[in-house]
Amino acid sequence: DADVTQTPRNRITKTGKRIMLECSQTKGHDRMYWYRQDPGLGLRLIYYSFDVKDINKGEISDGYSVSRQAQAKFSLSLESAIPNQTALYFCATSDLGTEKTQYFGPGTRLLVL
Amino acid sequence: KNEVEQSPQNLTAQEGEFITINCSYSVGISALHWLQQHPGGGIVSLFMLSSGKKKHGRLIATINIQEKHSSLHITASHPRDSAVYICAAYSGGSNYKLTFGKGTLLTVNP
Repeated sequence: DADVTQTPRNRITKTGKRIMLECSQTKGHDRMYWYRQDPGLGLRLIYYSFDVKDINKGEISDGYSVSRQAQAKFSLSLESAIPNQTALYFCATSDLGTEKTQYFGPGTRLLVL
Repeated sequence: KNEVEQSPQNLTAQEGEFITINCSYSVGISALHWLQQHPGGGIVSLFMLSSGKKKHGRLIATINIQEKHSSLHITASHPRDSAVYICAAYSGGSNYKLTFGKGTLLTVNP
């Protein structure tokens, strides 16, 4: 089984709808991240969390919110989806210690019409 | 201007060729990540390195901190190596915030 899972894997929605992307991990990591990837651009950080009580904005947080329901779960919400939020979204995790490797989920492909 | 630059953007090779992908960064970093993204979209970590050289199978990653440069080499390339290769740097002493390059699309033809 995958260590980092994302649901749904694909989603089509309409402008103005609220949607939630979910991420779960079995690696026991404290740190979790949400990124988006757009063609021609590098991955960009939306939000990150160092533990259940610690949530931080990344470089492109406008239009998004997150919830860290447990150490293993980190959800990303689009309160009112707009077409320029069409992208590939990745969740990632890393350990709190000196090992800095980030482990990525399989991604969620989102299309906002 | 992105703080992490990769070259080339696209690379086509014949099976068996030696491949080099370059990554340059403009700020001081604490560590650098090489990632592989397959056509299906999933991202896999290949290497994390802060100095010297690491090897895993046919893949070799090197980093020169003074020159702010890292390379990813693939020996005896194979069509299954076809993917996007991404370098990402932990900059400014951060141990959580990665700055990503835009990726290098590698196509290895049989």
